[in-house]
Amino acid sequence: DQQVKQNSPSLSVQEGRISILNCDYTNSMFDYFLWYKKYPAEGPTFLISISSIKDKNEDGRFTVFLNKSAKHLSLHIVPSQPGDSAVYFCAAWGGADKLIFGTGTRLQVFP
Amino acid sequence: DAMVIQNPRYQVTQFGKPVTLSCSQTLNHNVMYWYQQKSSQAPKLLFHYYDKDFNNEADTPDNFQSRRPNTSFCFLDIRSPGLGDAAMYLCAFGGGSGEKLFFGSGTQLSVL
Repeated sequence: DQQVKQNSPSLSVQEGRISILNCDYTNSMFDYFLWYKKYPAEGPTFLISISSIKDKNEDGRFTVFLNKSAKHLSLHIVPSQPGDSAVYFCAAWGGADKLIFGTGTRLQVFP
Repeated sequence: DAMVIQNPRYQVTQFGKPVTLSCSQTLNHNVMYWYQQKSSQAPKLLFHYYDKDFNNEADTPDNFQSRRPNTSFCFLDIRSPGLGDAAMYLCAFGGGSGEKLFFGSGTQLSVL
């Protein structure tokens, strides 16, 4: 069973506008969430994280929102830039030192 | 400077021919992970180490083995690669639960 789900495999956004990437999880015991960005043929790089004691964390153009009651988090990128085009993975710490990933959303930012 | 280094970046092997992938870190983190990622899928955890304590995922095939001779280095051995083992293999280091992981660039394995 997929405990971390990213239901949108792809997203296309115009440069300068907002990108919203969504993630759902099933286990209410998950207490720390991370977003990673991945370019082709490279490893994932850490982007931003959020603890379950918060509902928002912001870092420059990137903001992550957490809705614990809905078991949902989202990553907002404002303004979107062509260099943001990549695959974005949502991940959650699932206990026993295991980081569980979603299937990823491919973001394309066009001019 | 790269903090997690994986070698080689690309590896081609023949069906059934053993292959070893390597990973090293300059971060001095205790916790180490091997993930397998196939196209359009989530990275799948194969193993992790907490220092030298080895943890095998229940669904990791016996075909996959790992060695961690010291904190800095780790190896993934695939004893008899099958076509279904073609994937990107990612290693990562971190401080444990609640900390971010630092990934290497991955090794893309092809099986002919």
